[in-house]
Amino acid sequence: DVKVTQSSRYLVKRTGEKVFLECVQDMDHENMFWYRQDPGLGLRLIYFSYDVKMKEKGDIPEGYSVSREKKERFSLILESASTNQTSMYLCASMSGTEEQFFGPGTRLTVL
Amino acid sequence: QKEVEQDPGPLSVPEGAIVSLNCTYSNSAFQYFMWYRQYSRKGPELLMYTYSSGNKEDGRFTAQVDKSSKYISLFIRDSQPSDSATYLCAMSGSSASKIIFGSGTRLSIRP
Repeated sequence: DVKVTQSSRYLVKRTGEKVFLECVQDMDHENMFWYRQDPGLGLRLIYFSYDVKMKEKGDIPEGYSVSREKKERFSLILESASTNQTSMYLCASMSGTEEQFFGPGTRLTVL
Repeated sequence: QKEVEQDPGPLSVPEGAIVSLNCTYSNSAFQYFMWYRQYSRKGPELLMYTYSSGNKEDGRFTAQVDKSSKYISLFIRDSQPSDSATYLCAMSGSSASKIIFGSGTRLSIRP
């Protein structure tokens, strides 16, 4: 079974803090994705990566950066957290097929 | 206009009913169509995957794609309380392109 794990299920941070969200997959997938999920807006793609050290902006990259130093790990960084970044963050990985395997999500609250 | 439109619900039906969930889309380049199921406090998981037009059946679930109308459906027969979840449609233009998700329909099956 493919397993995608995320470092935290729930996170509370203060405005202006630097926040790291970690994602690890164990199936040697090339492609990894970060989404945020908000009510009524569905899943919106923040960043994705097709290979180590490679990254592409998604639809809403502003305020975020990513790092992929190893194939299995994809990190999302909020450089200076703001209240409008309060959301559910989902990481996914994918091989050459269309199925994306999702992690359980991190519910981030920025106060 | 969003690329993918999905009624957010909530939809509540009695156990045993046939459920119909739908999405419309605007991009005629979409060729891959998916349905994901997301239980509360979990990440989405792939339920059905269809390429181009036609029907696909898997147990109690049937996915239908009508590319001429830009309309996709998911039917659930003999619905069970365990089917209560949010259902997200998703689609993409090619195996290399990003996936666009609908906002999800929240479904509740009453015992």
